[in-house]
Amino acid sequence: SAVISQKPSRDICQRGTSLTIQCQVDSQVTMMFWYRQQPGQSLTLIATANQGSEATYESGFVIDKFPISRPNLTFSTLTVSNMSPEDSSIYLCSVVGAGSSGANVLTFGAGSRLTVL
Amino acid sequence: KQEVTQIPAALSVPEGENLVLNCSFTDSAIYNLQWFRQDPGKGLTSLLLIQSSQREQTSGRLNASLDKSSGRSTLYIAASQPGDSATYLCAVSPISSGSARQLTFGSGTQLTVLP
Repeated sequence: SAVISQKPSRDICQRGTSLTIQCQVDSQVTMMFWYRQQPGQSLTLIATANQGSEATYESGFVIDKFPISRPNLTFSTLTVSNMSPEDSSIYLCSVVGAGSSGANVLTFGAGSRLTVL
Repeated sequence: KQEVTQIPAALSVPEGENLVLNCSFTDSAIYNLQWFRQDPGKGLTSLLLIQSSQREQTSGRLNASLDKSSGRSTLYIAASQPGDSATYLCAVSPISSGSARQLTFGSGTQLTVLP
């Protein structure tokens, strides 16, 4: 399965600032996703990062708050803009690749843990 | 709308015990079900994936079963070890789509294995 490098692994940020998270995959992948996991909660899909076009956002998430770039098939960034304490979460990058069973297995990066003061 | 429930929310067992984690889903029209492990403050590691046509999958001490008709899956961990302590999440994807865009996650079971 694909190997995903995500950085930063964690950061402490001030209210009102923005932070960009990077996701690098060791192979070309068609589908790349960004998830958020708020404290004590499960994962919520933010958006699908599309190569060469605008990201597809899920309900409740907007481009102005979470701009996403996908310049090629191995790299994407997620920016959390104008942060507030409510944005404190783990942000995870994931890709779909062929698992040993031949099915579409979802692989995750290690996550970026953001704390907003 | 698909809903995924995991019971119990937390579980504490002594080392060496066999244990079962439960996952239920409301819409049986699924493409596959995946079990993940998440260590504190970390990302997710895929453990097992069961296709809708399969009944179970095994990997080492882990065995995952799927009963699509009843909307249930179980993750069986044999001879538990302190290193198994983590949160275990299940996730389902809807039929006719392997797209993670429509993946629905449960809230997880936090497992603690006591030495």
